[in-house]
Amino acid sequence: EAGVAQSPRYKIIEKRQSVAFWCNPISGHATLYWYQQILGQGPKLLIQFQNNGVVDDSQLPKDRFSAERLKGVDSTLKIQPAKLEDSAVYLCASSFGTAAYEQYFGPGTRLTVT
Amino acid sequence: AQKVTQAQTEISVVEKEDVTLDCVYETRDTTYYLFWYKQPPSGELVFLIRRNSFDEQNEISGRYSWNFQKSTSSFNFTITASQVVDSAVYFCALSEEISSGSARQLTFGSGTQLTVLP
Repeated sequence: EAGVAQSPRYKIIEKRQSVAFWCNPISGHATLYWYQQILGQGPKLLIQFQNNGVVDDSQLPKDRFSAERLKGVDSTLKIQPAKLEDSAVYLCASSFGTAAYEQYFGPGTRLTVT
Repeated sequence: AQKVTQAQTEISVVEKEDVTLDCVYETRDTTYYLFWYKQPPSGELVFLIRRNSFDEQNEISGRYSWNFQKSTSSFNFTITASQVVDSAVYFCALSEEISSGSARQLTFGSGTQLTVLP
């Protein structure tokens, strides 16, 4: 069974530029999550989708971050414009059901904003 | 207040020693779930265990064991006879309801960096 796929693995951009990350969850997983992990910290949930609907985006900085999961499968997370403090690893995860179930994580995208 | 507290930032042990990673959580939910994840140097988070709030039975899986105590809001993780390959960051996490309803949110602790020396 294929795991959670993410691309790109690494990205370096200058501040005020835009960037997009892609995630393809495990087949059959209804719930998809985007997390931000700053060095030395635990992952922080940005947004959670159930199929193609948003379940929770309370911690998403909506003035610069956006995400979509149009067909209920893969998802894109965008940052526009990027700030220095956005430097982090962006993790995508999926689970069969709600966040009561174990989540399976992708390898992450390491973003560096200069 | 933090929902999940992992007070041990870093632990270093010598191979074959036993080590316990502490996790204390805070929630108002009566139904909640606790998890442990491992993040090796490669970076990918690996699921280790899930417990629900109604099951306080301790669990053992090979060299790994977990002690869940609701009375102290703790969910500790012990590695017996540690090995170099156990070196990683270990995260404890809590799943609780976002608000009334079925939606849940997973909150991670800050992690414990375990280094096992040969």
